[in-house]
Amino acid sequence: QVQLQESGPGLVRPSETLSLTCSVSGGSISGHYWSWVRQSPGKGLEWIGFIYDNGYTNYNPSLESRVTISVDTSKNQFSLEVRSVTAADTAVYYCARQPGYFDHWGQGTLVTVSS
Amino acid sequence: QSVLTQPPSVSGAPGQRVTISCTGSSSNIGAVYDVHWYQQLPGTAPKLLIYGNNNRPSGVPDRFSGSKSGTSASLAITGLQAEDEADYYCQSYDSSLSAYVFGAGTKVTVL
Repeated sequence: QVQLQESGPGLVRPSETLSLTCSVSGGSISGHYWSWVRQSPGKGLEWIGFIYDNGYTNYNPSLESRVTISVDTSKNQFSLEVRSVTAADTAVYYCARQPGYFDHWGQGTLVTVSS
Repeated sequence: QSVLTQPPSVSGAPGQRVTISCTGSSSNIGAVYDVHWYQQLPGTAPKLLIYGNNNRPSGVPDRFSGSKSGTSASLAITGLQAEDEADYYCQSYDSSLSAYVFGAGTKVTVL
C-alpha cells in the first residue's frame, strides 16, 4: 500500500520561501504523477501542481509564478517550494498521487506564515 | 469562490438516503472531464470515495454511489450511518482555468 508523508517547517516568515518534501513508501515514485494540494479555511481545497517522474510539471496558473515542484527518484521523494509567501499561504499542505484524481494522500502538514 | 458548487450542508437520519449535488459548467463537468468525490473525516486527509463519476475504489462500501449528467454530478449515500458524518468534496478539471478544481465541500450530519 502506497504511503505518503509530508515534512518541512511548520512556520515560515512572510516574504520567505515555503519548502516541503513528500516521501513515498510502499511503491515506486516512477510511472506516476504526484501532486501538492493545500487546504485553508478561506479557500477550501486547492490544487497546486503535479510532477511526473521525468520532471515534467504542470502548475495551477493562479500559483505558477511562485511555485516549483521537483522530484528525486533516487530518494522516492518530491518537493514543493512556494516563494514570497504571505498569510494567504497559511494552510494544511497535502501531497498526493494523481492519476487524474487523487487516490493516495499524505496526512498533511500545517504551514503557518507569520512573523 | 469554487467553480464547482455544492450545498454547504445536508442531513439525514440513520438509514436514510441523502444526496449531494455538484454543479459546474461547460468548461468542467459539462465537458469531457470526469467527476471524483472525496470524504474527509475531522482532522484527517481527504479519502477517495468515487472516481470516474461512478466507480468505487476497493474497500468503499456500495452504499456510496456517484452519477453525472450534463453540467452536474451527484453523490448518494444510502443507509446513512453515524460514521458517514464528514465533509464531502467533488473534484474535476476545468479547461478555462487549466487546473484541477474542487467544490467547497458539503458537511453531512447524521441526525
